[in-house]
Amino acid sequence: EAQVTQNPRYLITVTGKKLTVTCSQNMNHEYMSWYRQDPGLGLRQIYYSMNVEVTDKGDVPEGYKVSRKEKRNFPLILESPSPNQTSLYFCASSLFRQATSGANVLTFGAGSRLTVL
Amino acid sequence: DQQVKQNSPSLSVQEGRISILNCDYTNSMFDYFLWYKKYPAEGPTFLISISSIKDKNEDGRFTVFLNKSAKHLSLHIVPSQPGDSAVYFCAARLGLGAGGTSYGKLTFGQGTILTVHP
Repeated sequence: EAQVTQNPRYLITVTGKKLTVTCSQNMNHEYMSWYRQDPGLGLRQIYYSMNVEVTDKGDVPEGYKVSRKEKRNFPLILESPSPNQTSLYFCASSLFRQATSGANVLTFGAGSRLTVL
Repeated sequence: DQQVKQNSPSLSVQEGRISILNCDYTNSMFDYFLWYKKYPAEGPTFLISISSIKDKNEDGRFTVFLNKSAKHLSLHIVPSQPGDSAVYFCAARLGLGAGGTSYGKLTFGQGTILTVHP
């Protein structure tokens, strides 16, 4: 089944304790992206990757890092989490960034709910 | 600066009636508009899209209307079903005219929670 898999789905951690949210896709997609969803703010892009070893900042990159060493994986790293990073995180992928319809649009993972105390 | 706005946080509709979800945007460089639907504990899934050169696109019970002069789009669901109850996100894509690495970037609205009552 074509899918984007995120782990963990739920995590409660404490301020300053480094964590990684993994993301893997099995569709051979070039483009991958991380979003966070917050009440009243919708989905905001954190980082994206156009291809292996090519990453760039989205709208809200502060406090996050990413890497794209392999095509299928795009982990999100919080080096020193803070309470304002408590959010629902989504990883997404598509064949290419400009996709707008049909099978080429963004496919999202099920989400990772992170709480930082 | 919220370039894509969904001003109604929630909408409640009776089964069988029409649901109309609205979205406003400010950037004239957007060339495609998309709607995503999200159920609880799941990721958003693509629903329907429309090019900026069109004013209507229909797919079964779902129709998206675009009014470029008003920078407004709407999603119509007819007839509404209880299974349509979800959060609906409007998204807009930056076109080639936006230049550089911005082409293809998606900007999402805040979402509207639709509840369809049996």
